[in-house]
Amino acid sequence: KAGVTQTPRYLIKTRGQQVTLSCSPISGHRSVSWYQQTPGQGLQFLFEYFSETQRNKGNFPGRFSGRQFSNSRSEMNVSTLELGDSALYLCASSYDRDGYTFGSGTRLTVV
Amino acid sequence: ILNVEQSPQSLHVQEGDSTNFTCSFPSSNFYALHWYRWETAKSPEALFVMTLNGDEKKKGRISATLNTKEGYSYLYIKGSQPEDSATYLCAWKPSSNTGKLIFGQGTTLQVKP
Repeated sequence: KAGVTQTPRYLIKTRGQQVTLSCSPISGHRSVSWYQQTPGQGLQFLFEYFSETQRNKGNFPGRFSGRQFSNSRSEMNVSTLELGDSALYLCASSYDRDGYTFGSGTRLTVV
Repeated sequence: ILNVEQSPQSLHVQEGDSTNFTCSFPSSNFYALHWYRWETAKSPEALFVMTLNGDEKKKGRISATLNTKEGYSYLYIKGSQPEDSATYLCAWKPSSNTGKLIFGQGTTLQVKP
């Protein structure tokens, strides 16, 4: 059974650019959540998509957005990148929002 | 502010030692408490999902208990092995209506052979 796949694994962007990260959930899972981990911080919740609808949103600026497709794959977009956006971005998928399986993450570096 | 606190922040033990960590969460709202094990360069691996006050769960040498009334959970590792070296995260889920998990900062365990 394939796990949660995140692409790309590593990314280097310049300040002011935008970036799109992808998350393919486990087959049959309808919920995809995104988290950010910066140095010294725990995992911070960004948003959750369930059946193509954003259900919850964390305390992040509007530069952070996402979407979910009909096949449950999700993308996260960050516009006008700032140095502080450098982080590990994790996504997690769930069938019933009771158990979550995480991907290996995308490491974003903004220079 | 609704925070999840984990202690200690880090722990160094010898192979064969038993150890335990604490996760504290707000007791006012509770739906579930998750424990994850996260090795460097890998994805967090789910250990336990705990939902009922007094729950005790076990997986091999690792076990966990839950007290929702006072807002804490303990994770125990019996006879630590070098392969147990990882960061252990707990995450509180206050409601069934949200997919949001609120994570603690984690406890990093190093087991020396």
